[in-house]
Parts: sequence; C-alpha cells; structure tokens
Amino acid sequence: AQTVTQSQPEMSVQEAETVTLSCTYDTSESDYYLFWYKQPPSRQMILVIRQEAYKQQNATENRFSVNFQKAAKSFSLKISDSQLGDAAMYFCAYRSLGGGAQKLVFGQGTRLTINP
Amino acid sequence: NAGVMQNPRHLVRRRGQEARLRCSPVKGHSHVYWYRQLPEEGLKFMVYLQKENIIDESGMPKERFSAEFPKEGPSILRIQQVVRGDSAAYFCASSPSGDNYGYTFGSGTRLTVV
Repeated sequence: AQTVTQSQPEMSVQEAETVTLSCTYDTSESDYYLFWYKQPPSRQMILVIRQEAYKQQNATENRFSVNFQKAAKSFSLKISDSQLGDAAMYFCAYRSLGGGAQKLVFGQGTRLTINP
Repeated sequence: NAGVMQNPRHLVRRRGQEARLRCSPVKGHSHVYWYRQLPEEGLKFMVYLQKENIIDESGMPKERFSAEFPKEGPSILRIQQVVRGDSAAYFCASSPSGDNYGYTFGSGTRLTVV
C-alpha cells in the first residue's frame, strides 16, 4: 500500500519570504498523481497544485511550485512571496492512476504560520 | 454553481445514538468519496460510491458504518451506535464520471460524540 509522509508538523515563515514544505511517499507504481491541498481554519480542502508522475516538468501555479523528484519519491511545495492568507494546514496526497483507483492517500499535514 | 454541499456542518450525538451525514455532490458529478479526519491528522479514505453502487469500501470500519448514494438524492454516511472514537470531521468529495483526477471537497461535517 502507498504511504505519504510529511516530516514537518509545523513551519513558519516571514511574510513575503519563501518557504518549502516537504513530502515523501512510498509506492511501487510508475504512474500516479501527486497533490498539495490547503486546509484553512474554515476546514475547506482546497487544491493548491497537482503533478502527474509521467511529466518531468515541475508544476507551477502562480506563487506555488513543486520540486518533484521521482527517483527519490519526493514532492516538496515551495511558496514564494508568502502572504498572510497562506496560513493553513497543508496536506500532500497521492493517487494511483487508472480505473477504480480513485482514492487519495494523505500525509499527516504541515501547519504553516505566516509571521507579519 | 454550488460546490459539494455537506450538512449538517456540526452534529452532536450522545453515545449509542445514530449519526446521519449528508452530501450533495456537484451537479453532474456521479462519483462520491467519503473521508474521515481525526484531530491533527490527515484525511483517511473511507468509501467510494457511484450512483447506487459501492465501488470501494476498503476504508470503512466493518461494523456500525454504512454509506449509500441513491439514484435520487444525496449520499448518506450512516454511523450507528456512535462511540466517542467516532468524533471527527467527515468530508465528502465528488468528481465527474471517468478517470478524472480532480476532486471537489465539501466543507465537512464535524461530529462530536458526548
């Protein structure tokens, strides 16, 4: 079974600075999807960014980018120009490719604090 | 265009009572997923349903928990004879048919068992 590990329970960063959240995963599959979700205090799960494992190019969404290292099974999230609204729990998630493999496997989460 | 609607947002039950959590997927979405989040933990998969069918219930506890997604109406997650350990946030997500990797999550129902 696949597992996802986030080794940083908490991180903090100064407003406007850059922060990187770590995520590693374990799988024997060659094709899969990886995601970062944000969960603010409202509890809503918000998709931040996603990556297909067969794509070598790292995904980017505005101030959010990933460093996907397939061989190392690492999928870190970089947040540039941190804003107060970025404060939230961040979850890394894995999803197998194909057919009935629809479920997401989540890491334990990293709580990100933005210092003004 | 409403997203995934879950109700109630908060639910308090006494030990031994039944809890019924409702999820209305995004209009046109035929796949529904339920996840449970214990305090300070990530979400854990419970069950995946399509209309009138349970596709994957590998994350569901064997007893007291059941889920359905009828032809008409919302998906229901039912917990019978609740215990304190059932206290958690329960999230529903939906996606269109096909192998689509995009989920839309609801805001969750926080169940408290007293």
